[in-house]
Amino acid sequence: EIVMTQSPATLSVSPGERATLSCRASQSVSSNLAWYQQTPGQAPRLLIYGASTRATGIPARFSGSGSGTEFTLTISSLQSEDFAVYYCQQYNNWPQTFGQGTKVEIK
Amino acid sequence: EVQLVESGGVVVQPGGSLRLSCAASGFNFDDLAMHWVRQAPGKGLEWVSLITWDGVNTYYADSVKGRFTISRDNSKDSLYLQMNSLRAEDTALYYCVKSLTTVRLSGTVYYYYYYMDVWGKGTTVTVSS
Repeated sequence: EIVMTQSPATLSVSPGERATLSCRASQSVSSNLAWYQQTPGQAPRLLIYGASTRATGIPARFSGSGSGTEFTLTISSLQSEDFAVYYCQQYNNWPQTFGQGTKVEIK
Repeated sequence: EVQLVESGGVVVQPGGSLRLSCAASGFNFDDLAMHWVRQAPGKGLEWVSLITWDGVNTYYADSVKGRFTISRDNSKDSLYLQMNSLRAEDTALYYCVKSLTTVRLSGTVYYYYYYMDVWGKGTTVTVSS
C-alpha cells in the first residue's frame, strides 16, 4: 500500500500568518490527492481534491499544489477557525490511505 | 442539504459481529459511490471500504478484508457495513462518507477515482470483553 507521510506533525503559527503543510507519497499518486480538515469533536471536512481544486465553499486562503509524490497545503493567513488537524489522502490506488495528520496550533 | 446518519455502534465482545447502517438524504444516493472510514480514539483517519453506485464493485483495507462486508440498498438510500470476527483494534468511530468521482480515459479504458466529499457524524464501535 502507498504510505503517506505528513510533515511537520505539529505546526505552531500565529493568527494572520501563513502555514505550509507537506505531504509525501511513497510512490506516485498522480494528482489524486485530497486534503481534509478536522476540528475537535467534528467530522472531517473536504478542503482540496485533485491536489489543487478547492471544494465547494472553501475559502480562497486555502490552496493546494503538487503532483506525483510531493504535495503542499498552504493557508495564506490563518484565521481562528483554521486551527485544526489536517490530513492528506491518496485515492489513486487501492487501498486508499491517509497521512498521519498535521496539527496546526496557535503560537 | 446532504445528510448522512450512521447507527448501529455498540459495545461488542472480541470475535463478535455487528452491522452498521447509514441513512442518506439530500442527494441522489443511487448515483454515487460511498465509503466507510474509521478513527480510533485519539488517532488518525483510516479508510475502511468503498462500494460503487450499483454495488457491483467493492474495495477494502487490508486490515478488514475477509472480515467486513460493505453493501447498499438503493431503494432505501442506505449503506451498510457488516463487521465479523471483531478485534480490539476495530474499536473506533465509524464514518459514512459520500464519494465524488473523477474519471480519466486512457485509450478505450475508463479509470475512476473516488474521493470523500460529505461525512456523517459517525457511530462508535467498542470491542471489549
